[in-house]
Amino acid sequence: AQSVTQLGSHVSVSEGALVLLRCNYSSSVPPYLFWYVQYPNQGLQLLLKYTSAATLVKGINGFEAEFKKSETSFHLTKPSAHMSDAAEYFCAVSGGGSQGNLIFGKGTKLSVKP
Amino acid sequence: DVKVTQSSRYLVKRTGEKVFLECVQDMDHENMFWYRQDPGLGLRLIYFSYDVKMKEKGDIPEGYSVSREKKERFSLILESASTNQTSMYLCASRPSGGFIYEQYFGPGTRLTVT
Repeated sequence: AQSVTQLGSHVSVSEGALVLLRCNYSSSVPPYLFWYVQYPNQGLQLLLKYTSAATLVKGINGFEAEFKKSETSFHLTKPSAHMSDAAEYFCAVSGGGSQGNLIFGKGTKLSVKP
Repeated sequence: DVKVTQSSRYLVKRTGEKVFLECVQDMDHENMFWYRQDPGLGLRLIYFSYDVKMKEKGDIPEGYSVSREKKERFSLILESASTNQTSMYLCASRPSGGFIYEQYFGPGTRLTVT
């Protein structure tokens, strides 16, 4: 069965610092992986997705993630944090089965200090 | 742009009331989903539908039912609302073909049951 673990429920960085949000997955089949962002009182918005075309995936707002099969990881990074990046971030893996439902991690809330 | 709309952003209901949450998507997607989101628990799948009049239980279906009479509309029903159903409810849609496609989310309905 597929599962996702996000390390750290809260991460705090200073404006301009590197953002690193960790995601490890478990999957019995080649996975499709997703990062979503949720701003306060809004729905989820896709940041980026891995679909086996390239291991380094670039997304919106300067975010990128690298798929590492040997480490079963898909960590999200951004070189320089901006105040507007403060939000909750969710990693998800395609759940297999006949419908390919997504399995979500529990989320990481990112705070950005001025 | 894909648009997923939910009938209410905020809703307050009394214990024992029957509650209807409506979701409409405008991209002719076959798959639709209902999740609830609680702090520290991430997103949990309540029900999903892969076609009109078709539905399948997700991880936490107890206390909920769904209806999909038209392709664009997916309703979540709380037969007799209880205080432990106070939560954020998110609807999503996705094309068929499964794993590779992301889900598109509505803005959410924050339901309070008193």
